[in-house]
Amino acid sequence: NAGVTQTPKFQVLKTGQSMTLQCAQDMNHEYMSWYRQDPGMGLRLIHYSVGAGITDQGEVPNGYNVSRSTTEDFPLRLLSAAPSQTSVYFCASSPTRGGTEAFFGQGTRLTVV
Amino acid sequence: GEDVEQSLFLSVREGDSSVINCTYTDSSSTYLYWYKQEPGAGLQLLTYIFSNMDMKQDQRLTVLLNKKDKHLSLRIADTQTGDSAIYFCAESRTTDKLIFGTGTRLQVFP
Repeated sequence: NAGVTQTPKFQVLKTGQSMTLQCAQDMNHEYMSWYRQDPGMGLRLIHYSVGAGITDQGEVPNGYNVSRSTTEDFPLRLLSAAPSQTSVYFCASSPTRGGTEAFFGQGTRLTVV
Repeated sequence: GEDVEQSLFLSVREGDSSVINCTYTDSSSTYLYWYKQEPGAGLQLLTYIFSNMDMKQDQRLTVLLNKKDKHLSLRIADTQTGDSAIYFCAESRTTDKLIFGTGTRLQVFP
């Protein structure tokens, strides 16, 4: 039972590079979301999706794009990486609204130099 | 506004009780949660409470909710070294969004 799988676990980018953080879940959950975790700031919502083909912005969406072409996958794209995007990124999925049954991935630690 | 606050650090002796506190500002919160994050890992849902409840107990965990003061607490009885982690308080309303606090790092010493 894989749950929520994020790849890669670690990544170093140069300023201006683009990349995609992958997130996949095998639980047939409708709701998926991306958070970033920064010291002293908790987790902040970047983008979320309530089902295939539907995405919406969270609290800190600038500099990131998402798409949801399938129920299983919810990739996060950094268009032009900036040092301010250095963070730990978490993907989560849930069968319901809110967080009563939310499952989180292990995280991707991204450093932008 | 959406604001969830926690103290950053708590240190307790093994075997004592730990109490982690959280305050939130949105009175329309429907669910409030406690998540645990161990080093290098994702978040694990520990427990949650619906906003019309005052208390929920689950083995060593007791959640208290004071809706009037918008205050949530997590009590861990008989704290063990394996309880050392960061604990996040979070809230949600009728939307799909979770709003997280800053996290409280719990350190348990022998």
